Amino acid sequence: QVHLQESGPGLVKPSETLSLTCAVSGGSINSDYWGWIRQPPEKGLEWIGYIYYSGTTNYNPSLKSRVSISIDASKNQFSLNLRSVTAAETAVYYCVRTAGGTFDYWGQGILVTVSS
Amino acid sequence: QSALTQPASVSGSPGQSITISCTGTSSDVGGYNYVSWYQQHPGKAPKLMIYDVSSRPSGVSNRLSGSKSGNTASLTISGLQAEDEADYYCSSYTSTNTPYVFGTGTKVTVL
Repeated sequence: QVHLQESGPGLVKPSETLSLTCAVSGGSINSDYWGWIRQPPEKGLEWIGYIYYSGTTNYNPSLKSRVSISIDASKNQFSLNLRSVTAAETAVYYCVRTAGGTFDYWGQGILVTVSS
Repeated sequence: QSALTQPASVSGSPGQSITISCTGTSSDVGGYNYVSWYQQHPGKAPKLMIYDVSSRPSGVSNRLSGSKSGNTASLTISGLQAEDEADYYCSSYTSTNTPYVFGTGTKVTVL
């Protein structure tokens, strides 16, 4: 059973960089696609992007200029960096495993508040 | 890429059946058999309930079933139970500039 766990700061200042890490256990990160999804309070889900274990990435075009996802196979984890954040990007951020056309494993989520 | 359209809310009494629709286009729902459904209880992460239109992951109740006709996918919950009260989101693979799109979400209420 694959388990995902997000970690990182719960508070980020506007215009700064949001950085989160997802630790993968119960399976190897050296396969499949690993990604991030976010959900603003009381709103729906938004796909942010994914990374393949080989390093290939794909990002939501609306975030592409500010987002990067990287992978550290030695630690079995992957990370999200989102630059120049605004208050509107306050959300719960989930890390997920992407298998085919679905997201089959989800982390518990981490609330990131963007505020000064 | 616009979000897939779902009804804001659906309700039913215990034991009844309800159906949630998820309407997209030929570039997403209608073009691929990669429609998934997720259940989300308050304060919890979404949980995969249906993938590839109609397949259920191990451990998911067979009271849930998925189908698709044209550009609209559907999730049916039969024998409605109190534990089914939650938000439900559909998602689909797309051929547009972003590979995945979610539905607007549906709140299911058990009366």
